[in-house]
Parts: sequence; C-alpha cells; structure tokens
Amino acid sequence: AQKVTQAQTEISVVEKEDVTLDCVYETRDTTYYLFWYKQPPSGELVFLIRRNSFDEQNEISGRYSWNFQKSTSSFNFTITASQVVDSAVYFCALSVLLTGGGKLIFGQGTELSVKP
Amino acid sequence: NAGVTQTPKFRVLKTGQSMTLLCAQDMNHEYMYWYRQDPGMGLRLIHYSVGEGTTAKGEVPDGYNVSRLKKQNFLLGLESAAPSQTSVYFCASSYSVLAGINNEQFFGPGTRLTVL
Repeated sequence: AQKVTQAQTEISVVEKEDVTLDCVYETRDTTYYLFWYKQPPSGELVFLIRRNSFDEQNEISGRYSWNFQKSTSSFNFTITASQVVDSAVYFCALSVLLTGGGKLIFGQGTELSVKP
Repeated sequence: NAGVTQTPKFRVLKTGQSMTLLCAQDMNHEYMYWYRQDPGMGLRLIHYSVGEGTTAKGEVPDGYNVSRLKKQNFLLGLESAAPSQTSVYFCASSYSVLAGINNEQFFGPGTRLTVL
C-alpha cells in the first residue's frame, strides 16, 4: 500500500525565516512520482513540482528548494526567506504510475503561517 | 484556455436529495479524477477515469457514482446525500500517467457542498 505522511500539521514562522516542510512516503513500487501542491487561502490547488523516482537531484526554483532522498523515503520542501504570500496549506503527494492509474495519494497537509 | 472548471461552486442539500457535480476540461486530457477534501485528511480519491467511457473506484467511492460520456467531461453524482458527504470536492485532469511525460494533475477550483 502507498502512504504519504506530513507530520507537521501547522508551522508558524516570522517573515524572512527559512522553513522546511517534511514529507515521508511509503511504496513498494520502483517507479513513482512525488509532487508538491500549494493551497492558498483562496482554495485552489497549485502545482509546484514533480520528481520521479529515478531522479534524486535536488531542485531549486527561486526561494523554493526540494530535497529528495530515497534512502529515507523523504521529499522535503524548503522555503528560503519566507514571505507572507507563502502562507498556505502545502500538500505532498505520491503517484504510482504503472499500477495506480496515476491517481495521487496525498499527505494530510501542512498549514504554513508566515507572520510579518 | 479555461483549464479545469467545476459547476457549481457552492451547494447546500438536504439529506436524501440528489445532485450532480460537473467537471469540464479543455486541455484534451485523457485522465480525470474526483477527490474530496476534509479537514486534517488531505485529499482522498473518490473515482477516476483513464479515458472516455471508462471509470474506476478510488479510495472512498461509496455513495458516489460517476460517468465519462465525453472526454472533456467527468460527472460526479450523489444519489442520496448524507451529512458525511459534506466536503469540498475537487476535480483534476492530467495528460498522461506515463513516466517521463507531463503527468501532473491540474485541479479545478473546487465545489463546497454542505448536506444538512
């Protein structure tokens, strides 16, 4: 069975602080994708990044960076110099392509509050 | 390009009433999904479709039915609404589920359903 765990339910930081959101996943499949989505207060889900199971390179996009480690089954997300606009719920998700029809298995989400 | 749209945005039902949620996408995506989002539980898959005329059960299918008569539309039906179906419903679509091809899911804005 597949599972995604985001142990941090809520995180509160002050603007300009760095913050890391943890994601741990479980799957027995060797081919899978990991995703991060952002859900701002307006409610829509915004795609942030996709990473496949064969690519362990870290990725940086502006103030966002992702650390994928298969050895610990983790796909953590770091926001550098956080801003108030980063306040949102962030979801980590797992997709097992070959057997899962591409469906996403979501973690419970981490609510990030960035205070000015 | 409207992306993924959902109708209606809000709805209030009484227990036992029926309704249909409509999801439409104009990106020629093959795969479509219905999720529900409940507090503290992330998003959970209700049903999904891997192509026109096909549907499959997800994680929480009981009490729901779906149809995919046209490639661009995916309907979610509640035959006899129950208070436990109070939730936010998200539709999503993706071009592919194959490794190496764009397979991120694009989400609609959500439908907030309350069953009294």
